[in-house]
Amino acid sequence: DTGVSQDPRHKITKRGQNVTFRCDPISEHNRLYWYRQTLGQGPEFLTYFQNEAQLEKSRLLSDRFSAERPKGSFSTLEIQRTEQGDSAMYLCASSLSSLAGSEQYFGPGTRLTVT
Amino acid sequence: GNSVTQMEGPVTLSEEAFLTINCTYTATGYPSLFWYVQYPGEGLQLLLKATKADDKGSNKGFEATYRKETTSFHLEKGSVQVSDSAVYFCALGETSYDKVIFGPGTSLSVIP
Repeated sequence: DTGVSQDPRHKITKRGQNVTFRCDPISEHNRLYWYRQTLGQGPEFLTYFQNEAQLEKSRLLSDRFSAERPKGSFSTLEIQRTEQGDSAMYLCASSLSSLAGSEQYFGPGTRLTVT
Repeated sequence: GNSVTQMEGPVTLSEEAFLTINCTYTATGYPSLFWYVQYPGEGLQLLLKATKADDKGSNKGFEATYRKETTSFHLEKGSVQVSDSAVYFCALGETSYDKVIFGPGTSLSVIP
């Protein structure tokens, strides 16, 4: 079990550029989540996949954000035309659907800085 | 909508002191409740959980009891150590597909 991995760990980009982050969940996990965490705050839910289907998107996920999970394995989160307000830690988590209270396993996050 | 409120930090305690971090929630249905911990430079880790009323979650000397009547899930530890210094997040899991709603976090510093 290698855990949830995210790439890159840090990204610095200029305003207006596009960025893409990758998340590799724990291999047998069918659920994958993206969260955003700003300094001094708890993570905020962005979107959720069950297998390859994206089942919910938060209002926080503007149309500049898109997430995919082809083949129900790894996932990518793309931000187009980045803004300074997009600067945050982007967290990925995965879980195995079961009864209530499935534990989510979090990756180390990708820290995005938009200059 | 569902939400979590927890006591503001930072909290500074001496080693071996008693710890309480208050957490209350607002939710429809019967959510699961969690405490997650984030150690400096590390990712979020589940500390403990409770899935129904009156359940007690425990791990590493930490405990929290799911109190439906007071909508609370306070975190306690009898004797904290320097290694417990971290940010603690109270959270609830929505019943539909376990989306987790996090509180703002409470930073704990334990000094020798």
